[in-house]
Amino acid sequence: GDSVTQMEGPVTLSEEAFLTINCTYTATGYPSLFWYVQYPGEGLQLLLKATKADDKGSNKGFEATYRKETTSFHLEKGSVQVSDSAVYFCALKGGGTSYGKLTFGQGTILTVHP
Amino acid sequence: DAGVIQSPRHEVTEMGQEVTLRCKPISGHDYLFWYRQTMMRGLELLIYFNNNVPIDDSGMPEDRFSAKMPNASFSTLKIQPSEPRDSAVYFCASTLGLAGNQETQYFGPGTRLLVL
Repeated sequence: GDSVTQMEGPVTLSEEAFLTINCTYTATGYPSLFWYVQYPGEGLQLLLKATKADDKGSNKGFEATYRKETTSFHLEKGSVQVSDSAVYFCALKGGGTSYGKLTFGQGTILTVHP
Repeated sequence: DAGVIQSPRHEVTEMGQEVTLRCKPISGHDYLFWYRQTMMRGLELLIYFNNNVPIDDSGMPEDRFSAKMPNASFSTLKIQPSEPRDSAVYFCASTLGLAGNQETQYFGPGTRLLVL
């Protein structure tokens, strides 16, 4: 079945540091890939997405590129801020019998210090 | 729009009691999803509806769990009887469709359930 594996956290960075959160996936067909962010006490919000190979999703300075050859969708940001502290989830939307269903990674806690 | 609305935000109950969680999706969204989030298992899809009809309930853990969507603006997730292992955050999400620009799921703030 479909699965998503994220790098284990927590990740702790200083403000303005470079961020990478690794995400790899296993799926049949051509899934859509997503990054969701969850701020404390809130529900998940879509951060960015990509729907086909080599697409780059971007939002709020975050980027991720859909790499079919390595089945990866790593999240990057060049300069993090304290306000980026949250939990980040990589997810895929599969096809076939899983069509429409989101499969999430386990989440990565990011803490950014001033 | 107010977004997806869930109630209650917090629920504390004793083992064996019935628990009902409520969700109001974004108006016009045809799909509604119920998820459960725990430290051990992460985010799991329990069930989803299309136009008020349950489409896939394969994630519902056991018969103690049931979900209904009597109309386009309201859904419930019921646990009867509740057990301590049901303690989790339960999220409701809705979306316009399952493909293209309609596929983004919008999540509610969640209900934090504690079963003692």
